[in-house]
Amino acid sequence: ETGVTQSPTHLIKTRGQQVTLRCSSQSGHNTVSWYQQALGQGPQFIFQYYREEENGRGNFPPRFSGLQFPNYSSELNVNALELDDSALYLCASSSTSRDEQFFGPGTRLTVL
Amino acid sequence: QQQVKQSPQSLIVQKGGISIINCAYENTAFDYFPWYQQFPGKGPALLIAIRPDVSEKKEGRFTISFNKSAKQFSLHIMDSQPGDSATYFCAASGGSGNTGKLIFGQGTTLQVKP
Repeated sequence: ETGVTQSPTHLIKTRGQQVTLRCSSQSGHNTVSWYQQALGQGPQFIFQYYREEENGRGNFPPRFSGLQFPNYSSELNVNALELDDSALYLCASSSTSRDEQFFGPGTRLTVL
Repeated sequence: QQQVKQSPQSLIVQKGGISIINCAYENTAFDYFPWYQQFPGKGPALLIAIRPDVSEKKEGRFTISFNKSAKQFSLHIMDSQPGDSATYFCAASGGSGNTGKLIFGQGTTLQVKP
């Protein structure tokens, strides 16, 4: 059974640029959730995708957007990057929107 | 009302001792309470989780105690080992608009001294 994978591992961008982060869900899981974890903080929910539709969103602006593909993999897109977007971005997959969430290793984004 | 408050912020325990981390919540609609362990540079790993229909759940050295009336839950790590040194997060989810949305505490950094 393959766990949750994320790419890239690290990324450095400059303010105003756009970034795309990718996530492959665990085998058999159809739900993907994205979280932002600032240094020294707990993860904060960005949004969740279930069967290719957004299924809940946290307090993040519209420049944070996502996609889920038919194979249940997912992308997180962030436009107009700000310095405060520097964080570890985590993807979690689950069997349904209610079940246990299993996290990937994360993508460390640095915005200069 | 959406917050989960976690304490202590940091904890030092001797090898073989009991580590106890506490969390409190306000939203009575929450119905799922997991604990995650995170090592530096890694994603959080699910340790153990509980739903409000039971007051305690044990898996190996890890136990969750749940007090529905007090809106509190805690993680007990028995026979703590140096390999348990990590950051621990409690979380909660459930209720209208919160299904699948994990709300995390601020984390507790645990150091187990040999």
